[in-house]
This record gives sequence, C-alpha cells and structure tokens, in this order.
Amino acid sequence: SQELEQSPQSLIVQEGKNLTINCTSSKTLYGLYWYKQKYGEGLIFLMMLQKGGEEKSHEKITAKLDEKKQQSSLHITASQPSHAGIYLCGADIAPYLYGGATNKLIFGTGTLLAVQP
Amino acid sequence: GAGVSQSPSNKVTEKGKDVELRCDPISGHTALYWYRQSLGQGLEFLIYFQGNSAPDKSGLPSDRFSAERTGGSVSTLTIQRTQQEDSAVYLCASSLVRHGAANYGYTFGSGTRLTVV
Repeated sequence: SQELEQSPQSLIVQEGKNLTINCTSSKTLYGLYWYKQKYGEGLIFLMMLQKGGEEKSHEKITAKLDEKKQQSSLHITASQPSHAGIYLCGADIAPYLYGGATNKLIFGTGTLLAVQP
Repeated sequence: GAGVSQSPSNKVTEKGKDVELRCDPISGHTALYWYRQSLGQGLEFLIYFQGNSAPDKSGLPSDRFSAERTGGSVSTLTIQRTQQEDSAVYLCASSLVRHGAANYGYTFGSGTRLTVV
C-alpha cells in the first residue's frame, strides 16, 4: 500500500467553489510539501509545513498540517481555472537530521483538479 | 543556472537501445534526486545523491538502470536495453540542505519524457 495517500484522486469543481485535498501518511511526518504540476511540466513548489498545527497561506491556497493525525490538507478558496492541474503532496519521513538514512521525499499519487468556467 | 535543467525534454527510442538522461542542478545544491512518473502513478523515487556519492539507490528498478554524478553537479541517468515499461517522465530535483530536506524542499526540473517503441 502507498505510504502517502491522497484523496480525492480527481476533482471537478465549478469556478468560484471551494475545495479541499487531503494527504495522509502511514509514517511520522518530519515535513510535508505541496506541489502543483501542469501537464508536460515539472513540479512547482507551493508550500512546506513542518510543525504540528502549522498553517500557511499563499493567495487563495491554504495548507494545514495535523501532526498527530499524520495528515495535511490543502484548501483552495474561490477556485479559478488557473488552479487546474495535479496537486502532489510529498513527505519527509526519515531525514538525516532525525537519524534516517536518506533525505528523499516520498510522494502521493496526486489529485487531478479541473475547474469548470 | 537559475533552475534545474534536464535534457533532452523528449526522447523516443527503440526497444533494446540505451539512453542517457541529463540533469543540471541548481548551482550549490549538494543533494540531487531522480524520480520517475508513469501514467496514473505518483512519483517513484529512483536514486539520491549527496555530492558525488549515492547513499540511497533503493529505487532503481533493475540493474539496467544506473546513475552517476560528477563534480558535485551534473548527473546522468542511464537506462540500458530499454523496455517499453521504461516509458515515463523522468524528473530530477535538487536541494540545498545537506542534512534533511526539512527546511527547503526540492526544486524540480521539467523532466524528460521517455517513450520506448
């Protein structure tokens, strides 16, 4: 099974509607990263969360980290067509800093968001 | 350069041929990562470099896959005797932080789309 689960897998919303994407880890999170990807392009960094209860916002996108639940949510307010794309969460589950063997991030399978005008 | 550069952006090759994919990380980034993204799949970790050494190669799918990094900078991912299942987007990322990705996350390149026919 996936170490990092995202839900929903895909989402179609009307422009102007709010939406939430969830990311749940089966392991302790030392850092949680949200990225956005458009077709044929690399991943664009959105936000990084490190501490339990941390919440960050950028324009109309807000991300929260619930450390106890090992879960993060990404919330988009008043969605626009420009928000369409694939949203991926990445997790730092065993960094060198905490005695892990590697710095690699693991990623969820992504959430495909379509926004209908 | 200003970002992570990958070349070629697209590669079509015949089954059984060898291919080399190149990644130029952001100058000064000590950590470099290769990931693979297949249709409908999330990002699959392949290999991680810290400087020129690879402490974690656990994601390389088979011995047909190898990677090297020279001068703490450019990395090459080589796939020998390509198979159709190797078709995917190969993404490279680099990171500034030496111990743990917790502080800065990754910067991704735009990827190389490999198609094996």
